[in-house]
Amino acid sequence: EADIYQTPRYLVIGTGKKITLECSQTMGHDKMYWYQQDPGMELHLIHYSYGVNSTEKGDLSSESTVSRIRTEHFPLTLESARPSHTSQYLCASSDRTTGDTQYFGPGTRLTVL
Amino acid sequence: AQSVTQPDIHITVSEGASLELRCNYSYGATPYLFWYVQSPGQGLQLLLKYFSGDTLVQGIKGFEAEFKRSQSSFNLRKPSVHWSDAAEYFCAVGASNFGNEKLTFGTGTRLTIIP
Repeated sequence: EADIYQTPRYLVIGTGKKITLECSQTMGHDKMYWYQQDPGMELHLIHYSYGVNSTEKGDLSSESTVSRIRTEHFPLTLESARPSHTSQYLCASSDRTTGDTQYFGPGTRLTVL
Repeated sequence: AQSVTQPDIHITVSEGASLELRCNYSYGATPYLFWYVQSPGQGLQLLLKYFSGDTLVQGIKGFEAEFKRSQSSFNLRKPSVHWSDAAEYFCAVGASNFGNEKLTFGTGTRLTIIP
């Protein structure tokens, strides 16, 4: 199994603040993903990356941005948080060594007041 | 476009009883299929996956799933559930022609176990 870490696990923040959600994996996977999940709902892909300096938007439009400067690191940033951004954010990674199976981190639960 | 339907939002079973969670998918070619489990406040853990070959797939924690192309289904089963199986279960489909870079998830089935 992949080792994927997300910090913080929980974040409560006020409207207008800039936030960065961290995601790191130690397996050298080339592909990484960010999903957004509202309570009791399915996961929606918001960003993905096939490797360093590669980022793409997912199926669900998001005001967040991502970067992939290092293979192991895929942070997600919100420049100005709003209550509508309140959700759980899940990071995942995969590559050919996993048969392209995606392995997930524990998630960050974000609450914007 | 691929899609996944999990028709049961919430299922309650008694501990020790058998379980079947339904999953139907829509995809033009042979799909990659997955079942994940999510405990409260946690990320998703892979239970099992189907890429090709034997249509009955064994997973962790005693779960299995059967791929039925004619019914576009990939139902998850367990012969005897344990209280620790209470969680949210997600079925997902990936595009086989691009690997599974982009997964589409169902809305999930919440499983409650009663003593």
